[in-house]
Amino acid sequence: EPEVTQTPSHQVTQMGQEVILRCVPISNHLYFYWYRQILGQKVEFLVSFYNNEISEKSEIFDDQFSVERPDGSNFTLKIRSTKLEDSAMYFCASVPGSTGANVLTFGAGSRLTVL
Amino acid sequence: KNEVEQSPQNLTAQEGEFITINCSYSVGISALHWLQQHPGGGIVSLFMLSSGKKKHGRLIATINIQEKHSSLHITASHPRDSAVYICAASGGGADGLTFGKGTHLIIQP
Repeated sequence: EPEVTQTPSHQVTQMGQEVILRCVPISNHLYFYWYRQILGQKVEFLVSFYNNEISEKSEIFDDQFSVERPDGSNFTLKIRSTKLEDSAMYFCASVPGSTGANVLTFGAGSRLTVL
Repeated sequence: KNEVEQSPQNLTAQEGEFITINCSYSVGISALHWLQQHPGGGIVSLFMLSSGKKKHGRLIATINIQEKHSSLHITASHPRDSAVYICAASGGGADGLTFGKGTHLIIQP
């Protein structure tokens, strides 16, 4: 069964450093998402990406964050100048069409620890 | 902004019991998603509902669009069903899902 692959599974970084989280969505899916889950809290939407551009972003997704799909397969989330409160599990997800009509496939997550 | 509420927050039951988890949302949606999150953190989609009822094995999901309410039922529950069950609302298109806080289910042998 096709999978969404995320790397790294766990990253530890110092406050102020830049982090890139990588995702390989399912190849024929059209919409890609990043979500985050701070430990003990609910999952929160960060950004959606369609047709090589950001489709929607939450208020969490400020100038510290950026996404791109550099080579048609990888979908990356860059976090600049990390803060302690960026420590969370980051999930990538993809869906073949609208989430109003399709289930999402989630990656296993990338756990980010900012020290 | 949609508010998604789940109940109960925690549920402990004995193996074999019939389980119901409830979800309500505040704003009209295109679809309601039920997800399962295991202790390792991974999230698996169980159902996507826009009306009526869906069944997959021992899991049944229902939605009442007029009442803005959905339920997830587990029949003949088993310890391997122990997980966090999350409902999430979709406005459609490329909208991000709005998640509930989840229901932590423990099934004891």
